Amino acid sequence: ILNVEQSPQSLHVQEGDSTNFTCSFPSSNFYALHWYRWETAKSPEALFVMTLNGDEKKKGRISATLNTKEGYSYLYIKGSQPEDSATYLCAFAPGGGSNYKLTFGKGTLLTVNP
Amino acid sequence: DARVTQTPRHKVTEMGQEVTMRCQPILGHNTVFWYRQTMMQGLELLAYFRNRAPLDDSGMPKDRFSAEMPDATLATLKIQPSEPRDSAVYFCASGRTGGTYQETQYFGPGTRLLVL
Repeated sequence: ILNVEQSPQSLHVQEGDSTNFTCSFPSSNFYALHWYRWETAKSPEALFVMTLNGDEKKKGRISATLNTKEGYSYLYIKGSQPEDSATYLCAFAPGGGSNYKLTFGKGTLLTVNP
Repeated sequence: DARVTQTPRHKVTEMGQEVTMRCQPILGHNTVFWYRQTMMQGLELLAYFRNRAPLDDSGMPKDRFSAEMPDATLATLKIQPSEPRDSAVYFCASGRTGGTYQETQYFGPGTRLLVL
């Protein structure tokens, strides 16, 4: 059983605050790390797929970094807006031929208060 | 705008009844995944198919669950007989896999199942 942990479990911030949260995953047999954004009553929506150690990806005000040697990824949101409120999921893809068999963390629930 | 579609969106049934959930993957995607979301476990992978062939169903209770892909545009997940503990949201996702690239998975809207 692969251990993918996300912290914090939930987070409340004020509009305009910048925030970040963590995904930790096995540092061995790494293939890729996915980030998804999941709004209530909708389906998970892809943000990033990261494969290289040291990788940094950006989409608007959201960015993510990856450290495969120590097994963690950070997701950053700059200047949070109420529409950023969602659960942010990370998912680990192992190597060895099962690289599309994702193991998801339980997510970080972000609430942005106006 | 290509999307994964799932039917039904909601299903309420009684314990012991058969439940069939359907998924139409995005055209051109060669891999289909079935996930179950529960409060306790989060998103769990039940099974997946690549080029319509089942690759892994180790996440699925074998005695009552079955997954098939009769053609490239249809994947099904069946529960027979259903039990109250099967109540969850079932998501289908599709993507392109193969070679050395890693692409994202695109999720459908889910089927919310309640077994009474």
